[in-house]
Amino acid sequence: DIQLTQSPSSLSASVGDSVTITCRANQVISDSLSWFQQRPGKAPKSLMYGASKLHSGVPSKFKGSGSGTVFTLTISNLQPEDFATYFCLQYYRYPRTFGQGTKVEIK
Amino acid sequence: EVQLVESGGALVQPGGSLRLSCATSGFSPDWMDWVRQAPGKGLEWLANINVDGSEKYYVDSVRGRFTISRDNAKNSLYLQMDSLGAEDTAVYYCSKRLDFWGQGTLVTVSS
Repeated sequence: DIQLTQSPSSLSASVGDSVTITCRANQVISDSLSWFQQRPGKAPKSLMYGASKLHSGVPSKFKGSGSGTVFTLTISNLQPEDFATYFCLQYYRYPRTFGQGTKVEIK
Repeated sequence: EVQLVESGGALVQPGGSLRLSCATSGFSPDWMDWVRQAPGKGLEWLANINVDGSEKYYVDSVRGRFTISRDNAKNSLYLQMDSLGAEDTAVYYCSKRLDFWGQGTLVTVSS
């Protein structure tokens, strides 16, 4: 199975900051990577697919990049609603696999 | 508007069975997935199924115990879960192509 490792596992930031989360795959997955946001007690929400393509309605403050084995999610101008856990997912091969998650907390 | 509503979650004894349902609306038949999340843990993809049900894929941890199916006439997705163990305790989500998600249904396996 393809393993995804996210770093950091958690981070603290202030409103208005920018943060970057990294997702590393243990083999090449082209750009077959999605990012999700999950707020406490809620279902995951898809942010982007194809490593960098935003889903409809997702603000441009979320930016994804990468290809191959290393991917990043950058969130600009953090707002209170952005404090959540973020997961990456690879859909290059079955079984689909998720990263372990990165919790973004308010400093 | 895309909507997915899971149901069927319950408290079940170890070794028991349960069938989850996902009622869908607002879109044409598409690939569908089941994903679960154990309490305080991350997300685990379980299975998916193509439009006509002829292709199904599973993660090893549930293959042979769980069966994904669908009824397009009823706009519904199902997950039959057998031989349940404590490790299957989780919130179970259905999803359209992992783009849109339901709110989840809780399955607790305990005696």
